[in-house]
Amino acid sequence: RKEVEQDPGPFNVPEGATVAFNCTYSNSASQSFFWYRQDCRKEPKLLMSVYSSGNEDGRFTAQLNRASQYISLLIRDSKLSDSATYLCVVVSGGYNKLIFGAGTRLAVHP
Amino acid sequence: DAGVIQSPRHEVTEMGQEVTLRCKPISGHDYLFWYRQTMMRGLELLIYFNNNVPIDDSGMPEDRFSAKMPNASFSTLKIQPSEPRDSAVYFCASKRGQPMAGELFFGEGSRLTVL
Repeated sequence: RKEVEQDPGPFNVPEGATVAFNCTYSNSASQSFFWYRQDCRKEPKLLMSVYSSGNEDGRFTAQLNRASQYISLLIRDSKLSDSATYLCVVVSGGYNKLIFGAGTRLAVHP
Repeated sequence: DAGVIQSPRHEVTEMGQEVTLRCKPISGHDYLFWYRQTMMRGLELLIYFNNNVPIDDSGMPEDRFSAKMPNASFSTLKIQPSEPRDSAVYFCASKRGQPMAGELFFGEGSRLTVL
């Protein structure tokens, strides 16, 4: 079983839609969680951290459920520019070993 | 500030040849990571260093792969001999240690094609 699993998608949604991605992780000792964004043929970049209490950054909301070992990302009012692959990241092995999920591809169309 | 710098950006080689990928991390970052990305397997962690010392190389596929970090500003990933299944994008990334554990900065990647 992979340490971090995501639905690969693609999710094809119209502009303005709300879309949610989930991610599950296998190591219950994992300490920190993040979402990264990767544009086509580019490098991944940090989108936001994920906290147990949930956190919001504009149209993006991230949540963590430690009991069920899953992480979610909600994007409201989707924009064309949100089209990208969203990577779930789990930190294990102390605070410095970052394990990436395979990513969920989002395509927002007019 | 310059970001993580990788070279070469693209390499096409024939099976059996040696490949060396290079990385210059961001100055002041004490962690350096090598990842490999393919469509089938996603982004896989190969090895990471802390203060130039390899900490975890459990992701290195086999003995054909080796990585070194002779100093704080330079690392190499070597594949010898290369095989077609090694074709992938290899990313180098760096970061500071705690508390900013999740802020990983990637280079633009080295796209390797082994024929």
